[in-house]
Amino acid sequence: NAGVTQTPKFQVLKTGQSMTLQCAQDMNHEYMSWYRQDPGMGLRLIHYSVGAGITDQGEVPNGYNVSRSTTEDFPLRLLSAAPSQTSVYFCASSYGPAGGLYNEQFFGPGTRLTVL
Amino acid sequence: GEDVEQSLFLSVREGDSSVINCTYTDSSSTYLYWYKQEPGAGLQLLTYIFSNMDMKQDQRLTVLLNKKDKHLSLRIADTQTGDSAIYFCAESDSGNTPLVFGKGTRLSVIA
Repeated sequence: NAGVTQTPKFQVLKTGQSMTLQCAQDMNHEYMSWYRQDPGMGLRLIHYSVGAGITDQGEVPNGYNVSRSTTEDFPLRLLSAAPSQTSVYFCASSYGPAGGLYNEQFFGPGTRLTVL
Repeated sequence: GEDVEQSLFLSVREGDSSVINCTYTDSSSTYLYWYKQEPGAGLQLLTYIFSNMDMKQDQRLTVLLNKKDKHLSLRIADTQTGDSAIYFCAESDSGNTPLVFGKGTRLSVIA
């Protein structure tokens, strides 16, 4: 199993550009999430999905869109990039809700995004 | 809303014990987790504890939970340079809500 994969690893954007961060998992997990990690801020949840076709907002959803057309993929779209979106983005997946004994969250390696 | 607090930095000498502390506010927290993030990588689950337990030991790791004070600690015995990383505390009420993470404690191990 490849686990959770994310592309690209690094990206530089100009203010106002749009792009999609890709996330895929091959573990048949229903739950997938996107987090951003900023220095001194820890991990903050952007959006999450409890299954194909179902998404919900997390703590910091503004400026981001998601969709979940398949179990495997959960792309994160930046509609009009801003310098405040400079961050490291992590995708994670789990069998069930990310709480509970058997629902360990597996994290991807991250995408480092810089918006100029 | 729920909040999870951790100190940001800890420095220890190789061979000593490390103790990383965490406090949380959600009294309905059922599962509490410790995740480890090595440089340039994602998070990996280290260990977890249920709210009906006081202590859990797993090789060099000991987790202590004081549910009355909503205080969780992670002790790493015989700390090695490979333990240098950021350690995140996280909690869940075991429902369908996502995990709430602390800001992470950066552990530096001095040889």
